[in-house]
Amino acid sequence: QQQVKQSPQSLIVQKGGISIINCAYENTAFDYFPWYQQFPGKGPALLIAIRPDVSEKKEGRFTISFNKSAKQFSLHIMDSQPGDSATYFCAAVAGGGADGLTFGKGTHLIIQP
Amino acid sequence: DGGITQSPKYLFRKEGQNVTLSCEQNLNHDAMYWYRQDPGQGLRLIYYSQIVNDFQKGDIAEGYSVSREKKESFPLTVTSAQKNPTAFYLCASSPGRNTEAFFGQGTRLTVV
Repeated sequence: QQQVKQSPQSLIVQKGGISIINCAYENTAFDYFPWYQQFPGKGPALLIAIRPDVSEKKEGRFTISFNKSAKQFSLHIMDSQPGDSATYFCAAVAGGGADGLTFGKGTHLIIQP
Repeated sequence: DGGITQSPKYLFRKEGQNVTLSCEQNLNHDAMYWYRQDPGQGLRLIYYSQIVNDFQKGDIAEGYSVSREKKESFPLTVTSAQKNPTAFYLCASSPGRNTEAFFGQGTRLTVV
């Protein structure tokens, strides 16, 4: 599987602040980019996803920004809340690929009250 | 409720034993996947299956085996050949090739 690089590995943000997590990829065949949220001891849950024909997608406090030319995409969490404290994974999948999603290594986000 | 059910939630294995982790889905998805999660390693693909009676090795298949006899079931066997089996195992399914996957709640396997 092709690599997806995610940063930072860990992030501490004050309540009400903006949390930003970045991902970069190399495989230009990737055409779908979901983000997952995982709480300790639970399976990852789909948070928001984007296709490369748009540069931004917003759902509530969560926004994905996508830069196709730079092969980068990022997750922004506005007005971050303590309940957002979790591990976040970016992922990518190619239309012709049968082996599913390629994941970043995750970002452990802590929102301080 | 539609979803993916993994069982058991916790599993303990003695060295030299084979153990089987269950994964069942009622989402009518064709594709199913097994991932292994270790701290700081993200999710690594063990095996995947796009159709009944067919499956392929992922990045870390050594020491694992699977079967796909029914569309809704994709059990994973951790064999004694897996040298470091202690990990969190996640099963997922997907409705198509270039779309999201949906995950079960995981099985935590510990070697004792």
